[in-house]
Amino acid sequence: DAKTTQPNSMESNEEEPVHLPCNHSTISGTDYIHWYRQLPSQGPEYVIHGLTSNVNNRMASLAIAEDRKSSTLILHRATLRDAAVYYCILRNDYGQNFVFGPGTRLSVLP
Amino acid sequence: DAGVIQSPRHEVTEMGQEVTLRCKPISGHDYLFWYRQTMMRGLELLIYFNNNVPIDDSGMPEDRFSAKMPNASFSTLKIQPSEPRDSAVYFCASLNSEALTNEQFFGPGTRLTVL
Repeated sequence: DAKTTQPNSMESNEEEPVHLPCNHSTISGTDYIHWYRQLPSQGPEYVIHGLTSNVNNRMASLAIAEDRKSSTLILHRATLRDAAVYYCILRNDYGQNFVFGPGTRLSVLP
Repeated sequence: DAGVIQSPRHEVTEMGQEVTLRCKPISGHDYLFWYRQTMMRGLELLIYFNNNVPIDDSGMPEDRFSAKMPNASFSTLKIQPSEPRDSAVYFCASLNSEALTNEQFFGPGTRLTVL
């Protein structure tokens, strides 16, 4: 399975944008890039996903590098409720195997 | 919809006892997943089903673990006999492969403590 690399932790101030990076240099052409987050004491929840083009939804934006070897999850205005562990995951179009790495623990400071 | 339902939410048992964790997926979802989360190993996929059929159980740690999905609305994860190293939070998730987002919906988890 293709692997992802994320920073262990990041900090942000409330109301400021946050850019969470993910490296996936061994990504294959059929791998989708998924982002999930896990709030304290909860199960993970879906944030966004993409294949090649940048994606936007109500929660976040996903910027995918042209060579697809990296991507960035963008939270446009961080709130205290965005404090969570963010996971970047690759999913092959042929299956549903999700390999969760350690993710990035985001702290949001008031 | 109530989302993915797991029971019990907390389970404390003694080593050697049988433990059964239960999951009700979201109606209409055709995939069901069982995960385990610990501080040391993070979130691990144990097994997943498609239309009630086990597809990949390579993450099941050993023969003490078994999972079943007798119908589309119910699945169990059984540990027999349980050991202290099985202590973890166990999550069930379901997915509708027809949906555009291919999104897994996770339940609240069962926190298992084996003494």
